[in-house]
Amino acid sequence: EPEVTQTPSHQVTQMGQEVILRCVPISNHLYFYWYRQILGQKVEFLVSFYNNEISEKSEIFDDQFSVERPDGSNFTLKIRSTKLEDSAMYFCASRPKTGDGYEQYFGPGTRLTVT
Amino acid sequence: AQTVTQSQPEMSVQEAETVTLSCTYDTSESNYYLFWYKQPPSRQMILVIRQEAYKQQNATENRFSVNFQKAAKSFSLKISDSQLGDTAMYFCAFMRLGNQFYFGTGTSLTVIP
Repeated sequence: EPEVTQTPSHQVTQMGQEVILRCVPISNHLYFYWYRQILGQKVEFLVSFYNNEISEKSEIFDDQFSVERPDGSNFTLKIRSTKLEDSAMYFCASRPKTGDGYEQYFGPGTRLTVT
Repeated sequence: AQTVTQSQPEMSVQEAETVTLSCTYDTSESNYYLFWYKQPPSRQMILVIRQEAYKQQNATENRFSVNFQKAAKSFSLKISDSQLGDTAMYFCAFMRLGNQFYFGTGTSLTVIP
């Protein structure tokens, strides 16, 4: 069964550094999402992406964040200058355009640790 | 804004018994979807069950069923014949059509052998 994949599984970076988190959504999906989960807290929406542009974003998704679909298969989240509070699990999700009751398929996550 | 509340941070159940996880939500929308996702220790979230708000019939998936009370904005998950593999964090989620998910804080369920 097709799955959403994410790399790396764990990323450690120093405060102020740039990081890129990578996701490969399921191949026929058209909507893409990033969520984050700070340890012990709820999963929070960051951004949704459709037709090569951001369709919705939360207050968390400020100018330090950007998303890109560079090659038609990868979907990346870039954090330009990481802060300690960016430490979290980052989940990518995707869904097809129609059908399936709007279920989003989640990847296994990337644990980002900012030191 | 939509909010989702899960009032039970932790629950436990004996293997083969039944357990119910509660979820309430707040919205002014009339058409939406509700979901229960399971997040095992490996941390990949997996869909357990979904419910369309316009459907009055409660969704069921094998041992999993929901009690959807639209007027009360309640969406509880019942797990029958609990198995050790059901041990996980369970998240209730709300979605306006085609848009982002709003998650609750989760309920950590432990199935005791």
